[in-house]
Amino acid sequence: QQQVKQSPQSLIVQKGGISIINCAYENTAFDYFPWYQQFPGKGPALLIAIRPDVSEKKEGRFTISFNKSAKQFSLHIMDSQPGDSATYFCAASMRWGGSTLGRLYFGRGTQLTVWP
Amino acid sequence: EAQVTQNPRYLITVTGKKLTVTCSQNMNHEYMSWYRQDPGLGLRQIYYSMNVEVTDKGDVPEGYKVSRKEKRNFPLILESPSPNQTSLYFCASSSTLAGGGNEQFFGPGTRLTVL
Repeated sequence: QQQVKQSPQSLIVQKGGISIINCAYENTAFDYFPWYQQFPGKGPALLIAIRPDVSEKKEGRFTISFNKSAKQFSLHIMDSQPGDSATYFCAASMRWGGSTLGRLYFGRGTQLTVWP
Repeated sequence: EAQVTQNPRYLITVTGKKLTVTCSQNMNHEYMSWYRQDPGLGLRQIYYSMNVEVTDKGDVPEGYKVSRKEKRNFPLILESPSPNQTSLYFCASSSTLAGGGNEQFFGPGTRLTVL
């Protein structure tokens, strides 16, 4: 059973547009929600992360919106650029997870293409 | 430079020939993990380790073995590889001091083809 569901699987956006990727989870014990960015030929790297005590976190053009009651969170990329073309993974974990401490549960990824 | 290294980066082998993919991190991290990445399936965890001599199965452990004898190393062993293990493999590590919710650092990946 997939712990984190991510959509869409692929996304094509015009340069300057807004890219939106959505994720949903069921386990209410999750309390850390990172997004990872992966360029072709590279390993994923942390992009931005949020804890459930806030509803939004912004870093530059990247914003995470978090809806605790709906158990959903999303990544918004404002003014999308061709250099943002990559695969994006949402994830969730428990900061005090006992035997699963440190374990990240990933969504299946979204391949973003930004056309110039 | 803080990093996770994997070797080899590319490997073509034949069914049944035992192989080991090495993973090493220089950040003194407690937590290490192996993932495989397949198109449309994202990152699936194979095994993870919370510290030396502590390992546990992830979501897709069948056909794989791991060991954690030293804190810095976490090799992935395929005793008898099969074509369905053709995939892109990533090793990752993170600190678990003061709880989880820490950045997980990924290696550059190992592309394995089993003929």
